[in-house]
Amino acid sequence: DIQMTQSPSSLSPSVGDRVTITCRASQSISSCLNWYQQKPGKAPKLLIYAASNLQSGVPSRFSGSGSGTDFTLTISNLQPEDFATYYCQQSYSTPPLFTFGQGTKLEIK
Amino acid sequence: QLQLQESGPGLVKPSETLSLTCTVSGGSISSSDYYWGWIRQPPGKGLEWIGSIYYTGSIYYNPSLKSRFTISVDTSKNQFSLKVFSVTAADTAVYYCAKIQQLRYYYYMDVWGKGTTVTVSS
Repeated sequence: DIQMTQSPSSLSPSVGDRVTITCRASQSISSCLNWYQQKPGKAPKLLIYAASNLQSGVPSRFSGSGSGTDFTLTISNLQPEDFATYYCQQSYSTPPLFTFGQGTKLEIK
Repeated sequence: QLQLQESGPGLVKPSETLSLTCTVSGGSISSSDYYWGWIRQPPGKGLEWIGSIYYTGSIYYNPSLKSRFTISVDTSKNQFSLKVFSVTAADTAVYYCAKIQQLRYYYYMDVWGKGTTVTVSS
């Protein structure tokens, strides 16, 4: 099984900060990595797919990069509505078998 | 716009079977570009993928989970379903259904239901 490890598990940035969240896979997954945002009591929302592709309607301050085993989600100019929990997810296989990271919680400083 | 809606009991007794249904509206469950998935989230914890199904009936389960889960599809009703057998308190969670988009060899969950809370308790 492919394991996904996110870091850090929590973060307390300020509005306007640039935030970077890291996700590491236990083996190479090419670019088969997605990022989701989840707010309390809500379903997850797709932000980035295939490592670096911005989902339609997602603000351009969100960006993703990486391939192989190491990936990053960057949020530039953090906004109040960005305080949430972020999950990475791998989908490396056909048909896809998914694994989520443990999540990174952005808390207001 | 395609939407998903989970339905099922909010409370299940230990050792019983949990049955959930996801109804797809605004699109066809029989599209060759989509898979359909179930994901759950225990209280205060992270997301866990349970399994996925293709409209042809091909099913893929999380190998880390024990074989208490069954996923099925009913194309005539535009629905897919999840059964969890012999539930315990550890199955208490919010259960989500999701549409899995396929783009070449990339797969991602781009549409989610709102989730349904299931509590296992006597």
